[in-house]
Amino acid sequence: QTVVTQEPSLTVSPGGTVTLTCASSTGAVTSGYYPNWFQQKPGQAPRALIYSTSNKHSWTPARFSGSLLGDKAALTLSGVQPEDEAEYYCLLYYGGAQVFGGGTKLTVL
Amino acid sequence: QITLKESGPTLVKPTQTLTLTCTFSGFSLSTSGVGVGWIRQPPGKALEWLALIYWDDDKRYSPSLKSRLTITKDTSKNQVVLTMTNMDSVDTATYYCAHANTAIVGPDYWGQGTLVTVSS
Repeated sequence: QTVVTQEPSLTVSPGGTVTLTCASSTGAVTSGYYPNWFQQKPGQAPRALIYSTSNKHSWTPARFSGSLLGDKAALTLSGVQPEDEAEYYCLLYYGGAQVFGGGTKLTVL
Repeated sequence: QITLKESGPTLVKPTQTLTLTCTFSGFSLSTSGVGVGWIRQPPGKALEWLALIYWDDDKRYSPSLKSRLTITKDTSKNQVVLTMTNMDSVDTATYYCAHANTAIVGPDYWGQGTLVTVSS
């Protein structure tokens, strides 16, 4: 069974920069996995942030960016705001089926 | 404006079959490239991708749940239905439906979710 791995938790100071990563048990993550990133706050439905590695939705704040970093997909938040405290999930495409990562709880402190 | 809303039972018994309906507006499932998917989230746990149906009736399922899932669409009613057989307590979760398209390869617009509890 395919497993997608994210850091369980990260902490960042307001105004700082943090990078979350997303790894696949099948090997290096490439653009062909069409990495997506989502933000979820308590009691809310997830909100899409990034698709196809680095593309932003029309509602995605400019401080969020996606990339490939080594053999992983990455989400970077620059100039972190207190409201960015949330759970972040990546999603990878495996030729039809899709798999979510376990999520990263981001604390802004 | 794209909106989606999930509906179905809030409580099901073990071994029963769950049927959830996603009713949407703001797009058509007859439009090339468009899809609707289902994702679930057990309380306090991570998201889990379940299934996706495309405009051309192409269907994709989570390999680990494929034997228990069926996804169908009714284009005229703007609805997508997910059935899951042989429900168990571990299937207790909030179930979300979401809009997708082949250009994005991932859900963009999400419903609010519906909590389904499996208990006798």
